[in-house]
Amino acid sequence: GQSLEQPSEVTAVEGAIVQINCTYQTSGFYGLSWYQQHDGGAPTFLSYNALDGLEETGRFSSFLSRSDSYGYLLLQELQMKDSASYFCAPPNDYKLSFGAGTTVTVRA
Amino acid sequence: DAGVTQSPTHLIKTRGQQVTLRCSPKSGHDTVSWYQQALGQGPQFIFQYYEEEERQRGNFPDRFSGHQFPNYSSELNVNALLLGDSALYLCASSLAETQYFGPGTRLLVL
Repeated sequence: GQSLEQPSEVTAVEGAIVQINCTYQTSGFYGLSWYQQHDGGAPTFLSYNALDGLEETGRFSSFLSRSDSYGYLLLQELQMKDSASYFCAPPNDYKLSFGAGTTVTVRA
Repeated sequence: DAGVTQSPTHLIKTRGQQVTLRCSPKSGHDTVSWYQQALGQGPQFIFQYYEEEERQRGNFPDRFSGHQFPNYSSELNVNALLLGDSALYLCASSLAETQYFGPGTRLLVL
């Protein structure tokens, strides 16, 4: 079986830091990807953690702990344009598995 | 470098009709995956094509079929459309683990 858990919604103010946690259970595991999707748009690739540890890409960082089946996406210096849905998606047997995602709302 | 492209952008069909959606992958990518995204949900995997063969399939009925051409572009066909097939259909291309999505085709079935 396969399951993914993320918080459904997060609200924060501009300039703040937000952490989106993701816990997963998959039959096979090849890392963890993160995608951003604005309303009406397509998912945009943010990061991929193949190994344990922290990956930093500008204001966004992603962390993976395979032993804990846990990862997180850290959004720093939040901007209004970061208001979107964020999905963790473990690649598994070539496909990506998505949950319902986390809606991040950034307030002025 | 062109990203993943899809056509058409929007489509309206009636129940029972058939539809074909098209996808051109990112340059250099040889694998195409199709996803269905209903409103308020995450994308759900339909199937993946590699070397013109269906490599893996998600939990979708046989009404959903596809094809990959020698230039790696792909088509998704849906027969006998149901109201519940209304969704955003996303194509993603890849060379390794990372998949890059196209803008999607929004299908409305009336």
